[in-house]
Amino acid sequence: GENVEQHPSTLSVQEGDSAVIKCTYSDSASNYFPWYKQELGKRPQLIIDIRSNVGEKKDQRIAVTLNKTAKHFSLHITETQPEDSAVYFCAASMWSNFGNEKLTFGTGTRLTIIP
Amino acid sequence: GAVVSQHPSWVICKSGTSVKIECRSLDFQATTMFWYRQFPKQSLMLMATSNEGSKATYEQGVEKDKFLINHASLTLSTLTVTSAHPEDSSFYICSARVVRLAGGPRNEQFFGPGTRLTVL
Repeated sequence: GENVEQHPSTLSVQEGDSAVIKCTYSDSASNYFPWYKQELGKRPQLIIDIRSNVGEKKDQRIAVTLNKTAKHFSLHITETQPEDSAVYFCAASMWSNFGNEKLTFGTGTRLTIIP
Repeated sequence: GAVVSQHPSWVICKSGTSVKIECRSLDFQATTMFWYRQFPKQSLMLMATSNEGSKATYEQGVEKDKFLINHASLTLSTLTVTSAHPEDSSFYICSARVVRLAGGPRNEQFFGPGTRLTVL
């Protein structure tokens, strides 16, 4: 089965600086890679995702890059703000017409933005 | 759109009792829902995939007789923790699958707010 590794486990960044979280996956058949943000005691929320036919995707201050050959993808947050403090999870899955593919999550990164 | 609710948000029960947790998709139909368990400061661990009208698919190591899943309608899946014990105390989160086609086909999962179970 799929195995997703995520680094670092904790990350502290000065407000305004950039944060980068990296994930690797093992199953070359995986073709969908979402990132979730989970604030303390709340539900995970999708913040950005990327499909394997795209190398990079950007949404305002958030971007994700994918290297299919190396089987790794990264989350980039620029101009960080205090509200970016949360736990971030990467995940990987494979799309098929059956539609019940499971997401395999990384272990999470606790991001702290220092004011 | 794509709102998922979960009930109850927290529950405390005595050891040996059963607890039912409901997961509802409020504004869409979900043929597939997922149940996760999350320990403090840890990742989400998939317990089972719940498909409407059929038996759930359990992940390796998850006891199907202990964690009963029923997906009786397109908007409701339930997880029943039977004969709960203190080690079952955890945060249980469900999600519902939404198929997205715009921008390329993919299955997005929208999560419920979670249920914190404490077994005394």
